[in-house]
Parts: sequence; structure tokens; C-alpha cells
Amino acid sequence: QSVLTQPPSASGTPGQRVTMSCSGRTSNIGFNSVKWYQQLPGTAPKLLMYNNNQRPSGVPDRFAGSKSGTSASLAISGLQSEDEADYYCSVWDDSLEAVIFGGGTKLTVL
Amino acid sequence: EVQLVQSGAEVKKPGESLKISCRGSGYSFANYWIAWVRQMPGKGLEWLGMIYPGDSDTRYNPSFQGQVSISADKSIYTAHLQWSSLKASDTAIYYCTRRLEWEVLDYWGQGTQVTVS
Repeated sequence: QSVLTQPPSASGTPGQRVTMSCSGRTSNIGFNSVKWYQQLPGTAPKLLMYNNNQRPSGVPDRFAGSKSGTSASLAISGLQSEDEADYYCSVWDDSLEAVIFGGGTKLTVL
Repeated sequence: EVQLVQSGAEVKKPGESLKISCRGSGYSFANYWIAWVRQMPGKGLEWLGMIYPGDSDTRYNPSFQGQVSISADKSIYTAHLQWSSLKASDTAIYYCTRRLEWEVLDYWGQGTQVTVS
């Protein structure tokens, strides 16, 4: 069981807006910045968001991140079929002294 | 272009040793930490630890301390992940990734499948 809690699944239809959550603790999300990674089927993870809400170059502005207290969320607007993937939140945990990942949310585009 | 290229898939027996590699190119390899991440079959991501190739400073996830060994040779732009005695539970895909400040993992290798059976 991950220290960071993500819903195992999410879904939406093309064009819709979906959000997924990442719940943690003071020792991780409360004190440190959250990253999000996208893993398309059969591929390596890719950095999607860093510093809670910053998009690396090349990531469309349809993706948006936010953080409040000990929780974070990722929103995807204008959902597209190619967004179907696993999404992981990640953060440094001061107590565990390690990078931790959420269990991942599998996004299905219906 | 930044690239991390990992060694090929491995099939090993329990008790055997193994060393997999990750070669960086397109950037100053010695000046960025390389982290290793495990993904067991059908499961999520787990951070094993990281190394700074410039001086071989190494940090381990306490959960994996003693189970794996991380090393690097900056002269050949390569980091390694090593096991002295594999177990069936080590079966997983292992990714190397470049670490920026604040634990941002910006570039990832293609992954190395390790099967222990």
C-alpha cells in the first residue's frame, strides 16, 4: 500500500475534462513539491508536471497540476484518445528519506 | 539530445549475480544524479536510489538498502545497478532516470527487463 494514495482508475470521453487526485501527508506533499508522470502502455514513464503545476517543454496546456495542503491533483481537459495511460504522482518524503510514488491511476478514454 | 540507453533484457536463476547498465549522452553525465526505479509486473513505480557520477555519492531508499548496489563510471558515462544474489521477487523492469533539483526525474531510459526464474 503506497504512502501516496491515488484512485486506481479514472475515465472520460473525448473532449471531456477529468481530474485525478493524489493524497499524502505533511512529511511528503505537505512540505515538498509534487511531480506527475505519464506512462503510456509498454513505454517508460515521462515527466508530465513538476513543482506542483509546471509543465515541461512539449507538454500541452491541456494538462494542469495543483496542490493544496497534503493533496495534489492533475486535471486533463479536452481529453484525447492518446491520453489513455497510467498516471503517477511522486514526491520526496522527509520521514522515509526517499522518493515515493502513488500507486498510479489508470485513465481510460471511452 | 539527452538520451539514457540501458542494457538489454536478462534472464537469470535465483542466487545468480547481475549488473545492468545505463549510458548517458547529450549532456554532462558527471553533473547530474542518476536514479533507478523499479516496476514489478503489473505494479507501480518504486525508487531504489541514486548516484552522482561526478563523485559517486550514492543515496539508497532505506527499503532497498542492502538489496541492490548502485555504481557509476563517469569516464564511460555509465551507471550500474547490481545484485549479488537474485531472488524471484527481483523480477521487474528497471529504469534509470536523470534527476534534476527537487527530485524531478526528467529523462528516462527505455527500461531493462530482469527475469529471475
